[in-house]
Amino acid sequence: EAGVVQSPRYKIIEKKQPVAFWCNPISGHNTLYWYLQNLGQGPELLIRYENEEAVDDSQLPKDRFSAERLKGVDSTLKIQPAELGDSAVYLCASSLGRGLGEQFFGPGTRLTVL
Amino acid sequence: SQQGEEDPQALSIQEGENATMNCSYKTSINNLQWYRQNSGRGLVHLILIRSNEREKHSGRLRVTLDTSKKSSSLLITASRAADTASYFCAPWAGSNYKLTFGKGTLLTVNP
Repeated sequence: EAGVVQSPRYKIIEKKQPVAFWCNPISGHNTLYWYLQNLGQGPELLIRYENEEAVDDSQLPKDRFSAERLKGVDSTLKIQPAELGDSAVYLCASSLGRGLGEQFFGPGTRLTVL
Repeated sequence: SQQGEEDPQALSIQEGENATMNCSYKTSINNLQWYRQNSGRGLVHLILIRSNEREKHSGRLRVTLDTSKKSSSLLITASRAADTASYFCAPWAGSNYKLTFGKGTLLTVNP
């Protein structure tokens, strides 16, 4: 069974440029999460989807961040415009419904904003 | 806060030794999960212990849970260099379906 797929793995952009990250969850997992992880810290939840619906986006900086999960499968996280402080690893995870909470993580996208 | 806090922040041991990491949390939970993250990679789920369980084993891993003290421990026996990673605990209350991670314990196993 394929795991959570993310692309790109690495991205370097200049500040004020837009950037987008893509995630394909494990087949059949209807819950999808985007996390941000700064160096030396644990992941912080940005947004959680149940199918197509964003059910928890309270930590998403909506002035510059946006996300979508069309058709309830793949998801895209966008930053526009990027700031220096956005340099971090962006992790996508999925889970089988609400289940017991076990989540499966992708390898992440390491973003560097210059 | 539902967030778990791991202790110690860093741990360095020799290959073959046992490693123990602790986790404390503040609210009632349904379960507590441990994850591992190797350098530059995503997190991998290691083990889940439910609130009505006191101890659970998986291979070289042993997890304990004391809900009265709101604490958990992860023991890795006969450690290997490949166990070098950051380890995170994540309490799960269920009510908001959210895992909240602490800063983790950075384990270094020296060959």
